[in-house]
Amino acid sequence: QQQVKQSPQSLIVQKGGISIINCAYENTAFDYFPWYQQFPGKGPALLIAIRPDVSEKKEGRFTISFNKSAKQFSLHIMDSQPGDSATYFCAASGDGATNKLIFGTGTLLAVQP
Amino acid sequence: DTEVTQTPKHLVMGMTNKKSLKCEQHMGHRAMYWYKQKAKKPPELMFVYSYEKLSINESVPSRFSPECPNSSLLNLHLHALQPEDSALYLCASSQGFRVQPQHFGDGTRLSIL
Repeated sequence: QQQVKQSPQSLIVQKGGISIINCAYENTAFDYFPWYQQFPGKGPALLIAIRPDVSEKKEGRFTISFNKSAKQFSLHIMDSQPGDSATYFCAASGDGATNKLIFGTGTLLAVQP
Repeated sequence: DTEVTQTPKHLVMGMTNKKSLKCEQHMGHRAMYWYKQKAKKPPELMFVYSYEKLSINESVPSRFSPECPNSSLLNLHLHALQPEDSALYLCASSQGFRVQPQHFGDGTRLSIL
């Protein structure tokens, strides 16, 4: 119940294309769903986050789509650029009395020029 | 540049050495975290401090000893580490123990000889 399943493990997209990464969770007590972007040699950086009261959140080229009934959420990167090449982690938190972030397994995105 | 600063960036130590990792934040956050990240894996929570008190220890071996001298500073003391402890050690902070988001530093790359 504590798992967050992320797919795909790796993704290759052409410059200008749309990158889509999917995550699924089981624990209905989760109420915060962030996406982190991590470049080699750097720490994870918060990219965008959503709470279950909305179905979509957009920030620039990055959009989170959230489906509460299906317990799924996804990250869409529009007009993907080579500079977007990084590892992306979805996460969830809000279970019980803790602030633990439960991370997905990560997606390595490569955007080809 | 991240607002959570970690030093040193790289550390190589023998199994009998004693060293410390340092983390500093000046965002007024009252919760601070240590994570361990192995290559191509998501971060794994080790410790959580809330208002300078240890709130969560994820069954971490005693060769890792955390310390929170004040609300801005977090240390991780290392002693008698094993080769499998080689990893990226990440510090994070948030406004409060149950408050998101968590902001990560760029980590300390630790290698155990």
